[in-house]
Amino acid sequence: AQSVAQPEDQVNVAEGNPLTVKCTYSVSGNPYLFWYVQYPNRGLQFLLKYITGDNLVKGSYGFEAEFNKSQTSFHLKKPSALVSDSALYFCAVRDISSSSASKIIFGSGTRLSIRP
Amino acid sequence: DAGVIQSPRHEVTEMGQEVTLRCKPISGHDYLFWYRQTMMRGLELLIYFNNNVPIDDSGMPEDRFSAKMPNASFSTLKIQPSEPRDSAVYFCASSQTGVQYFGPGTRLTVT
Repeated sequence: AQSVAQPEDQVNVAEGNPLTVKCTYSVSGNPYLFWYVQYPNRGLQFLLKYITGDNLVKGSYGFEAEFNKSQTSFHLKKPSALVSDSALYFCAVRDISSSSASKIIFGSGTRLSIRP
Repeated sequence: DAGVIQSPRHEVTEMGQEVTLRCKPISGHDYLFWYRQTMMRGLELLIYFNNNVPIDDSGMPEDRFSAKMPNASFSTLKIQPSEPRDSAVYFCASSQTGVQYFGPGTRLTVT
């Protein structure tokens, strides 16, 4: 069975400081990993994905994520936070080895709050 | 492309009434997903289709819920009869290469 965990319900960061939103995963095969962002009253929006290759993946709005196979983690990072980054962030995993390879399992979400 | 289109954006109905939510996926996408989001349960996958065929409906909560995809450009999620606990935001998403693109959602309130 595949699963994804976001251990923090909320992360608070001062504007201009680096931010990290944590994600760990569990899959039976090779994972495809995703990060999505949800702004208030909007649908989820794709930020970035890891399939293979370089462990550091760059995405939209200056975000990046680091894939760590030994720690089964895929943490989202940004060097300098903006107030406009405040939103709900979801980590997700797709197990391409399963019969339901097209399904994405979403984490519970982490609310990121950036204070001015 | 206009993205995934959902209608209505807001729906308020009384308990016992039938509710139909609509979705138009992105042209060319062969997967379509229906999700429900609530504060208590987070984001739940209800059902998904591949090439208009339902693949996995294990997330559909009860027989009151049904979904159809009569063609590649249209899908519906129906709740009959509706109950107050069905109140949630319902999202449709479509996919071609694994990345799912979400619509703006339908906020359903059942009184």
